[in-house]
Amino acid sequence: DAGITQSPRHKVTETGTPVTLRCHQTENHRYMYWYRQDPGHGLRLIHYSYGVKDTDKGEVSDGYSVSRSKTEDFLLTLESATSSQTSVYFCAISRDRVGPDTQYFGPGTRLTVL
Amino acid sequence: GNSVTQMEGPVTLSEEAFLTINCTYTATGYPSLFWYVQYPGEGLQLLLKATKADDKGSNKGFEATYRKETTSFHLEKGSVQVSDSAVYFCALSDRDDYKLSFGAGTTVTVRA
Repeated sequence: DAGITQSPRHKVTETGTPVTLRCHQTENHRYMYWYRQDPGHGLRLIHYSYGVKDTDKGEVSDGYSVSRSKTEDFLLTLESATSSQTSVYFCAISRDRVGPDTQYFGPGTRLTVL
Repeated sequence: GNSVTQMEGPVTLSEEAFLTINCTYTATGYPSLFWYVQYPGEGLQLLLKATKADDKGSNKGFEATYRKETTSFHLEKGSVQVSDSAVYFCALSDRDDYKLSFGAGTTVTVRA
């Protein structure tokens, strides 16, 4: 199993509060990703990183920001959480561009925004 | 853009039945194709993959063949077990892309 941990695993928060989710890897992989999983939508990419301090937006990036100051950590921040951001969030990593390579997923964080 | 369409679930089967989950894709380039599985309460695990036309990915009794002419990557298993109950996701990525595009997922329940 790929060494990926996510914290917290569960969080309940209120609308308007800031929330930060952490993804930590021990594989020294260059690429890291944040997805959200919602019924009927599969997984949708929020943001991704292709190196330290190198990040870019995915298809559902509004309301989210990310940071990567070290190879092993990729943080996802909801500046002001809304109920529409209630979801399960997955971090993933890959050694190379995902075309021929494989993404490995973390265990997920279940976030509830009341 | 890239997109993946999976057959809608849920799918309920009896043990030892044959399982097939249809997956078709649209891609601008020459994609790699993946099947991921998510067991209850867990994250996604790679089940199998194929990176070029006519490749067959296989794992744990599951198989899928990359069919470029029909833009399909259907997942099959000849005899399912209760432990195969999970959500199955088809996904693709272009060769020079950073991103996976996922289908909506198919929930499979196998009854003893």
